Amino acid sequence: SQQGEEDPQALSIQEGENATMNCSYKTSINNLQWYRQNSGRGLVHLILIRSNEREKHSGRLRVTLDTSKKSSSLLITASRAADTASYFCATDADGGANSKLTFGKGITLSVRP
Amino acid sequence: GAVVSQHPSRVICKSGTSVKIECRSLDFQATTMFWYRQFPKQSLMLMATSNEGSKATYEQGVEKDKFLINHASLTLSTLTVTSAHPEDSSFYICSARDRGRGNEKLFFGSGTQLSVL
Repeated sequence: SQQGEEDPQALSIQEGENATMNCSYKTSINNLQWYRQNSGRGLVHLILIRSNEREKHSGRLRVTLDTSKKSSSLLITASRAADTASYFCATDADGGANSKLTFGKGITLSVRP
Repeated sequence: GAVVSQHPSRVICKSGTSVKIECRSLDFQATTMFWYRQFPKQSLMLMATSNEGSKATYEQGVEKDKFLINHASLTLSTLTVTSAHPEDSSFYICSARDRGRGNEKLFFGSGTQLSVL
């Protein structure tokens, strides 16, 4: 069953603008991850935030986590045309070797040059 | 590092034939491999979890006799779609965890687009 639900479902912005994507989930988590998928390709891990963390940064990416609201946001600053892709949040309830990730429906980001 | 190779990238087959998809971890040993199915513009649906040397664990609603998973080594897992039908047409993606890097993030193959005529 779907755990993460992203919004908006689609986002179109101008190059140089910031893109903010949100994810909500339903059950408790060990960590939450964001992935990127280019059309017709596999997913690439972007960033992971643990349940005891509130904010993490990686280059132009900033992710926040609010466990009380069961929500996370991914901010991409100074967007580029190459950031055009689908973005998925994924929740990990257990954090163990066999732990499954449950993916949201994804957000389609289009960055106009 | 942490490269997952999935082959073939695209396959077209006739209804009733079987198709094998390979997923290899090229530069690490995979503790666990996962197989997903993805429909156009939709999320990834987990089909099964496989561990080396043991039977795969299938998600509810996934036919284990139709989607055969073999995980013979720490670097190779295969998914065989048996007696494929047009409704099996989909994008199949494998992923793996690197036992040397902890149990958290997944490394994905590039996917296989299966089209059954």
